[in-house]
This record gives sequence, structure tokens and C-alpha cells, in this order.
Amino acid sequence: GAGVSQSPSNKVTEKGKDVELRCDPISGHTALYWYRQSLGQGLEFLIYFQGNSAPDKSGLPSDRFSAERTGGSVSTLTIQRTQQEDSAVYLCASSAIMNTEAFFGQGTRLTVV
Amino acid sequence: GENVEQHPSTLSVQEGDSAVIKCTYSDSASNYFPWYKQELGKRPQLIIDIRSNVGEKKDQRIAVTLNKTAKHFSLHITETQPEDSAVYFCAASKNSGGYQKVTFGIGTKLQVIP
Repeated sequence: GAGVSQSPSNKVTEKGKDVELRCDPISGHTALYWYRQSLGQGLEFLIYFQGNSAPDKSGLPSDRFSAERTGGSVSTLTIQRTQQEDSAVYLCASSAIMNTEAFFGQGTRLTVV
Repeated sequence: GENVEQHPSTLSVQEGDSAVIKCTYSDSASNYFPWYKQELGKRPQLIIDIRSNVGEKKDQRIAVTLNKTAKHFSLHITETQPEDSAVYFCAASKNSGGYQKVTFGIGTKLQVIP
């Protein structure tokens, strides 16, 4: 079946603009994660959705960042008033309840110019 | 919440030598420990995992060990090859409100020198 899909794969935006990044998890996966990975760096946790529970937003770096997950499926990460330091690869991952392997999307490479 | 520490951050080995990456976790309730490999420009992918009722698991040239008492787990790669060069992430996972939440380490960049 289809894996985790992210769009767009690349995004170049001007400083100060808003951007929306999309993640389509594997069908039936109830857990969904967003991570940020700067060039050559590790995985920075941003937000975690688990079923219908309130999301864990503890990793969001500022109030310019927000995320939604509608209908327990597709998720959108929104970055308002983008800054150059927001440039990174944004990775989404999903996992099922009992099968704990996390499957990653290919990422969205965001460049703020 | 869970805290996962990973060492070293970078590791260079000669082809054919062994590589060891170590992680510690803080939450004794964690019960699942996956390892992911991320090749340059690609997404992280699971390479091996271990559950808390097992002390060691091996798959060809890679093995993982788990010490629950010390809250340590390690990845061992033997007879390293250039294609092993990648970033490796450890993770710890536990039940949280009926769901599994995964916490990743910072990653180790492994370079295998031919």
C-alpha cells in the first residue's frame, strides 16, 4: 500500500510569507508526528497527534508554528511569517496503535529567501 | 516526558571495523526501542528494533542490546561497509494514553572509510 506522503517536496518562499505543508499518513495509522531536520542535524520534534486526543505541541518552536489533523487523517503544518531560520526539511511520520514502527514521509524541503 | 540521549554524534571507522552507537533513556515505562537509518537525502527507515522483554537481537551484521536496569541500549554494526555510511537514530517508545509515542535521539553520523 501507499506510504506516508508529503507535499510539496520542495518549497521556496519569501521571508514573511505563510506556508502550509501537508502530510498524508498511512491509512489507519492513528499516531502522526512532525519533525524538523536542519542541514546535517538530528530530528527536532515539533508536534504529535494521537487519535482523537489533544495533540502534544511541546516541540513547536514559536507561536508562528501550528498544526492541524482533520478527521484523524491528513495533517497540515502551518508556518506564519516565515523566517530564514525556518529553512529545513520537515518530516512527517505515522504509526499504528499496536505496531509501533514509525514510517516517514520523504519530507518537504523548505527554503526561506 | 521521555528523554533519549545518543552518543557519539559522529563516528568514523575503517571499512571492516565495528561501529557501536549508544543510547540512554529516562522513562522506565518505555518498552520498544527501534533504530532508524537515514541515508543522505532520504527518509529515515527502520533497520532493527528490540522490545523490553528481550536483551539482545541480531540481524546479519547488525545487533542491538538492551539493559533495562541501566536504561541503556546500543546498536552494533560489524564488518562495516561503505554503504553503512548514514545517520542512525535510536528511539524509545512507550504507551501513552493507549497510544505509542516515539522519542528519538539526536542521531549519529557514521562514516565508513574505504
